[in-house]
Amino acid sequence: GAVVSQHPSRVICKSGTSVKIECRSLDFQATTMFWYRQFPKQSLMLMATSNEGSKATYEQGVEKDKFLINHASLTLSTLTVTSAHPEDSSFYICSASPGAGQPQHFGDGTRLSIL
Amino acid sequence: RKEVEQDPGPFNVPEGATVAFNCTYSNSASQSFFWYRQDCRKEPKLLMSVYSSGNEDGRFTAQLNRASQYISLLIRDSKLSDSATYLCVVPPNDYKLSFGAGTTVTVRA
Repeated sequence: GAVVSQHPSRVICKSGTSVKIECRSLDFQATTMFWYRQFPKQSLMLMATSNEGSKATYEQGVEKDKFLINHASLTLSTLTVTSAHPEDSSFYICSASPGAGQPQHFGDGTRLSIL
Repeated sequence: RKEVEQDPGPFNVPEGATVAFNCTYSNSASQSFFWYRQDCRKEPKLLMSVYSSGNEDGRFTAQLNRASQYISLLIRDSKLSDSATYLCVVPPNDYKLSFGAGTTVTVRA
């Protein structure tokens, strides 16, 4: 079945560091990918929609200059958390779908801890 | 009104019980519906698609009620391993993803 790979799975960094997370669709092309964030014991929250070849669409309250998204190819989207601070510590997940009407497949998630 | 709403629960049920819960959606044009389960500290995993005629996969039954705009998930003969958060995901035609906040199910011995 469709597989979405996310890397790295775990990051521990000092405050002020920028962290890049990759999301790859391994056996299908995805013009759209989605990025989410989930804090402990809270619901999954959609952060942004990553669009291949164009700008990402951010949800209300998500700073586009803080969370840089690049979707340069049909199989790769990256999320860069710039100048990360402890409050950015969270579980970041991506998802992609092989096509309209088909289910989203989620990456394994990246657990980010900022010290 | 939120695009997708779920009863957050939690539903605490004994092993062997049947538990069911719904997910309402606001976009009447929605064509596809999916149930996912998310375990603690893990990513959501696809449980089953929801077909117009309703569908069953082992102990899990999904139903769609277009008139009232909701989908349901029923779990029969609950197992301890069914304890998880169940998310409904509704992808409208314009690719914008909508999903519920999740329904927490805890199955106790």
